[in-house]
Amino acid sequence: DAGVIQSPRHEVTEMGQEVTLRCKPISGHNSLFWYRQTMMRGLELLIYFNNNVPIDDSGMPEDRFSAKMPNASFSTLKIQPSEPRDSAVYFCASSSTSGGLYAQYFGPGTRLTVL
Amino acid sequence: AQTVTQSQPEMSVQEAETVTLSCTYDTSENNYYLFWYKQPPSRQMILVIRQEAYKQQNATENRFSVNFQKAAKSFSLKISDSQLGDTAMYFCAFMNLRIGNEKLTFGTGTRLTIIP
Repeated sequence: DAGVIQSPRHEVTEMGQEVTLRCKPISGHNSLFWYRQTMMRGLELLIYFNNNVPIDDSGMPEDRFSAKMPNASFSTLKIQPSEPRDSAVYFCASSSTSGGLYAQYFGPGTRLTVL
Repeated sequence: AQTVTQSQPEMSVQEAETVTLSCTYDTSENNYYLFWYKQPPSRQMILVIRQEAYKQQNATENRFSVNFQKAAKSFSLKISDSQLGDTAMYFCAFMNLRIGNEKLTFGTGTRLTIIP
């Protein structure tokens, strides 16, 4: 079975440009998470969805960040406009809450560089 | 708020030896999960092992086992017969099982190097 799929794997953009990161969760999983990893702040949760509904977006840095999950198999994280401090690795993860499993499985990440 | 502390920024051991990584956490909750994730140089986050707080028995996955001390709020990871492929960053993580909250709180990580 395929794991969590993220695209692109690498993104280099200039300050002020819009960036869209994409994620396909593991089939059958009903929760999806977006994390950001930086040297300064470590791994931090940005937002998570359960059954396509946003549950906790308290980690979203500011209005420049937005996330959507239009269906059970796709989610996007958008940054508009991007800034150099957004440079980080962005991970998508998914989990299944059925059976009380709760284990989150991560995608390979997207390394974002904003110049 | 929950906090997770990994007090060992770096560790190194000889191949085939046993190593233990420490993790402590702070919570007022009684029902929660604990996890260890491995992040090798490829940066992929890989789930190593999981422990439910209500289970007294320590979780084991092949060469990986945990020592879960609920009263002490301690959750250490033991790697037996260490292999070169175990070289990675290891993150301890906490999940509060209160309804509607699946947020993982991560520690700062321990960089483990296995020496040939």
